[in-house]
Amino acid sequence: GENVEQHPSTLSVQEGDSAVIKCTYSDSASNYFPWYKQELGKRPQLIIDIRSNVGEKKDQRIAVTLNKTAKHFSLHITETQPEDSAVYFCAASYQGDDKIIFGKGTRLHILP
Amino acid sequence: DTEVTQTPKHLVMGMTNKKSLKCEQHMGHRAMYWYKQKAKKPPELMFVYSYEKLSINESVPSRFSPECPNSSLLNLHLHALQPEDSALYLCASSPPGGGYEQYFGPGTRLTVT
Repeated sequence: GENVEQHPSTLSVQEGDSAVIKCTYSDSASNYFPWYKQELGKRPQLIIDIRSNVGEKKDQRIAVTLNKTAKHFSLHITETQPEDSAVYFCAASYQGDDKIIFGKGTRLHILP
Repeated sequence: DTEVTQTPKHLVMGMTNKKSLKCEQHMGHRAMYWYKQKAKKPPELMFVYSYEKLSINESVPSRFSPECPNSSLLNLHLHALQPEDSALYLCASSPPGGGYEQYFGPGTRLTVT
């Protein structure tokens, strides 16, 4: 079955700097890669996703890149702000399977 | 309406109690999910319903019993739980078939005493 590895588990960056979180997956059939943000005590919410027919996707300060050959994808947050502090989960799934496999999460701290 | 709702928000129950968690969505999604989430961990899949039929059961103990009465509602019936079952229980929905965003509810914080 699919396995998703996520690094780092904790990340601290100065406000205004960039943050990068990396994930690898094992199943070459996976073709949908969402990123969820979960603030303390709140529900996970999708912040960006990418499909395997695209190499990069950007939404304002957030971007995701996908390397299908290497089976890894990354989340990039630029000009970080205090409200970016949260736990971020990467995930992988494919059409034909209702299940999505989550990485273990990265706790992002934005330092003032 | 792009919201998944869950009730109750908090639940404290003894090991001999029977209780139910409820989830509702009106997005027309035909896949609904139950997840269990422990502190500092990712959501852990428990059950998936696709077109109101149970399609995935991740070897969950029988003290958890899911039910999908119709395409908008999902229940989780709880009986004879253990203290280690204390967790945040999240419901989610999505279009069926995989490869789509899952919309999560706010969760029920369950404490088993």
